[in-house]
Amino acid sequence: DAGVTQSPTHLIKTRGQQVTLRCSPKSGHDTVSWYQQALGQGPQFIFQYYEEEERQRGNFPDRFSGHQFPNYSSELNVNALLLGDSALYLCASSLLGRAEAFFGQGTRLTVV
Amino acid sequence: QQQVKQSPQSLIVQKGGISIINCAYENTAFDYFPWYQQFPGKGPALLIAIRPDVSEKKEGRFTISFNKSAKQFSLHIMDSQPGDSATYFCAADKTGGTSYGKLTFGQGTILTVHP
Repeated sequence: DAGVTQSPTHLIKTRGQQVTLRCSPKSGHDTVSWYQQALGQGPQFIFQYYEEEERQRGNFPDRFSGHQFPNYSSELNVNALLLGDSALYLCASSLLGRAEAFFGQGTRLTVV
Repeated sequence: QQQVKQSPQSLIVQKGGISIINCAYENTAFDYFPWYQQFPGKGPALLIAIRPDVSEKKEGRFTISFNKSAKQFSLHIMDSQPGDSATYFCAADKTGGTSYGKLTFGQGTILTVHP
């Protein structure tokens, strides 16, 4: 079982650019959630996808958007990058109706 | 509004000692309380979790104690080892309905276990 995989592992972007991060959930899981973890902080919930639709969303601006594909993999898109978007972006997968969530290793995004 | 408060921010323990990390929550609708362990450069790994219908859950050297009336829960690591040195996060979730799977995390505790 490959677990939750994310790509890329590291990324450097310039302020104002757009970025796409990718996530493949754990085998058998159908729900993907995205979190932002600033340095020294706990992860903050961005949004969650199930059946290719956004189920719920945290307190993040519309610059953050996502997508889920029929194979349950997911993308996180961030437009008009700000310096404050620099963080570790984590993907968590779960099975709808089950509480346990499993995280990937994250993508470290640096905005310069 | 921070809904899950975690303490201490950092903790130093000698090998073989007991590490204790505490969390308090505000939202009484929370009904699932996991603990995650995170090593530098890695994603959080699920350690152990508890629901409010039990006051204690033990898995190996890790124990969660839960006090529903006080809205507090804690992680105890028995016989702490240098390999346990990591950042620990408590979290809470309101399962059921449309809000399932939206974890609210504490600020984290950096645990250092000296040999």
